[in-house]
Amino acid sequence: NAGVTQTPKFQVLKTGQSMTLQCAQDMNHEYMSWYRQDPGMGLRLIHYSVGAGITDQGEVPNGYNVSRSTTEDFPLRLLSAAPSQTSVYFCASSYSLLDQTQYFGPGTRLLVL
Amino acid sequence: AQSVTQLGSHVSVSEGALVLLRCNYSSSVPPYLFWYVQYPNQGLQLLLKYTTGATLVKGINGFEAEFKKSETSFHLTKPSAHMSDAAEYFCAVSDGGSQGNLIFGKGTKLSVKP
Repeated sequence: NAGVTQTPKFQVLKTGQSMTLQCAQDMNHEYMSWYRQDPGMGLRLIHYSVGAGITDQGEVPNGYNVSRSTTEDFPLRLLSAAPSQTSVYFCASSYSLLDQTQYFGPGTRLLVL
Repeated sequence: AQSVTQLGSHVSVSEGALVLLRCNYSSSVPPYLFWYVQYPNQGLQLLLKYTTGATLVKGINGFEAEFKKSETSFHLTKPSAHMSDAAEYFCAVSDGGSQGNLIFGKGTKLSVKP
């Protein structure tokens, strides 16, 4: 089991560029989520999904899009990057929404210039 | 709405000393409570969780936490700190229901002095 994998590990973008952060899990988990981590702010939920074809917004969804076409994959898209999106992004999964024992990926460090 | 407050953004202890990391929560329904640990440049991993039943919960690496409903607290303790415990610790709360997303505290960075 690879668990939760994320690519890339590090990315530098210019303001206005778009990109997709990839996330995949091989544990057949129904629930997947994206968080951003900023110093002194803890983790804040961006978007989440309770199953293929179902997504919903979290606490800080603006500027981000998600889709869930398969159980395994949950990509996060930045449509037009802004310096305020400089952060560390974590993808996580759990068996279900009711079971919040989340398994985290290693993270993607994003720098927007 | 649920919320989590972690008292102390930075805690420093000597090796062998007691570790106490404080967490208070706010929830309108019986909460599910979690402690996660993050080592440098890594993702988070679960230390322990409370859902129902026994209020003293034991986790990995010798950590434990006690759910105290009257104090709305879920403090994390370890009797004797080890250098390898140096990390950032996050308390989180969920209502375990249809809106069961985790709400994280801002984290407490634990330093362990030799």
